[in-house]
Amino acid sequence: NAGVTQTPKFQVLKTGQSMTLQCAQDMNHNSMYWYRQDPGMGLRLIYYSASEGTTDKGEVPNGYNVSRLNKREFSLRLESAAPSQTSVYFCASSEGGAVEAFFGQGTRLTVV
Amino acid sequence: AQSVTQLGSHVSVSEGALVLLRCNYSSSVPPYLFWYVQYPNQGLQLLLKYTSAATLVKGINGFEAEFKKSETSFHLTKPSAHMSDAAEYFCAYDNYGQNFVFGPGTRLSVLP
Repeated sequence: NAGVTQTPKFQVLKTGQSMTLQCAQDMNHNSMYWYRQDPGMGLRLIYYSASEGTTDKGEVPNGYNVSRLNKREFSLRLESAAPSQTSVYFCASSEGGAVEAFFGQGTRLTVV
Repeated sequence: AQSVTQLGSHVSVSEGALVLLRCNYSSSVPPYLFWYVQYPNQGLQLLLKYTSAATLVKGINGFEAEFKKSETSFHLTKPSAHMSDAAEYFCAYDNYGQNFVFGPGTRLSVLP
């Protein structure tokens, strides 16, 4: 019963490098989300996808791109990493509507 | 602007004491509210949710929360704290079925 799986769990990047964070869910959920967590700021929404083939910007989309590859997978790409993108990234999914979200274990990203 | 606020970024209680974590929401927030818990180095886990049914909501691990429209509050309580309750707690609301908006979080410490 995997739920939401994120890879990698840890990553160190140099400024200017690119990388893609992978997320997959096995609950047949329509909606998927990417959040970043920074101390004292809670979780801030980067992008979300209400259904396969659609994506929308959240609160802090600058510097990121996303792809909803299919219903299961939602990836987050950093094209040119910056130290300000050092954070813990969480992927989540839900059925949509007033139903709770399920979270992955997070990716701890450090940009040096 | 729609938001949730959590009074107190850090709360300390003694083991066996009452736990009270505060959450207030702006009146324009849709009435679908959640409490999540995050243990160290883990993702978020749902504690309980309010979806316009009973105003007193019971969750896992002995936690409960009461939705008070007149006070725009959704405070989380537990009668007797346990060491295992030490974690970070987030109040959140469902943003019209599109995504979830989180408060800044409250770190709970439980003292022996």
